[in-house]
Amino acid sequence: GAGVSQSPRYKVAKRGQDVALRCDPISGHVSLFWYQQALGQGPEFLTYFQNEAQLDKSGLPSDRFFAERPEGSVSTLKIQRTQQEDSAVYLCASSTQRWTSGGESSYNEQFFGPGTRLTVL
Amino acid sequence: GQNIDQPTEMTATEGAIVQINCTYQTSGFNGLFWYQQHAGEAPTFLSYNVLDGLEEKGRFSSFLSRSKGYSYLLLKELQMKDSASYLCAVRVYSGAGSYQLTFGKGTKLSVIP
Repeated sequence: GAGVSQSPRYKVAKRGQDVALRCDPISGHVSLFWYQQALGQGPEFLTYFQNEAQLDKSGLPSDRFFAERPEGSVSTLKIQRTQQEDSAVYLCASSTQRWTSGGESSYNEQFFGPGTRLTVL
Repeated sequence: GQNIDQPTEMTATEGAIVQINCTYQTSGFNGLFWYQQHAGEAPTFLSYNVLDGLEEKGRFSSFLSRSKGYSYLLLKELQMKDSASYLCAVRVYSGAGSYQLTFGKGTKLSVIP
């Protein structure tokens, strides 16, 4: 079946430009995550959605980063006034994970998309 | 905050066994994952541990000791295609219906003939 897809796969932007990165999660997946992965590093958490609700945006590095998921499926990560330090691969992941009110959760893996490689010149 | 340590690089011979260690210090621990990532590709899930002990899955096994903040990934009968980065990731519940995966920097494994 179809996995997580992201577009564009590659994006080159001039410093100061705005960019928008798209993520199509696996159909029916409740949870969606964005990560930033610098070269030679592990992915770093940016933000988390459960359906359309953005429950955690603690990893967004600055107010230039904004994410939305208005209808609870497709998500967009927007970076305004891009800087060179924003150059990285941006990964999206989705999961059927849902937390119960008691804070417990059954195991459920995150499925990652291929990522968007952003290069800011 | 969260801190996850794993070796930067390892080399092993085709057909051999290799063990990749991961140590972590976290609050709100709710499971440990291992992912494989080939260069330029997305991470793919290998294993999950939430209770102490060994989980075996074909050629791959993963072990967890929560009291020691320690896990390892064991790869048996190494194949050339196993050359990749192996990412240790800890899931923590951060409250208000949210959780995060915190990744280590990854261990780049090179399998040589």
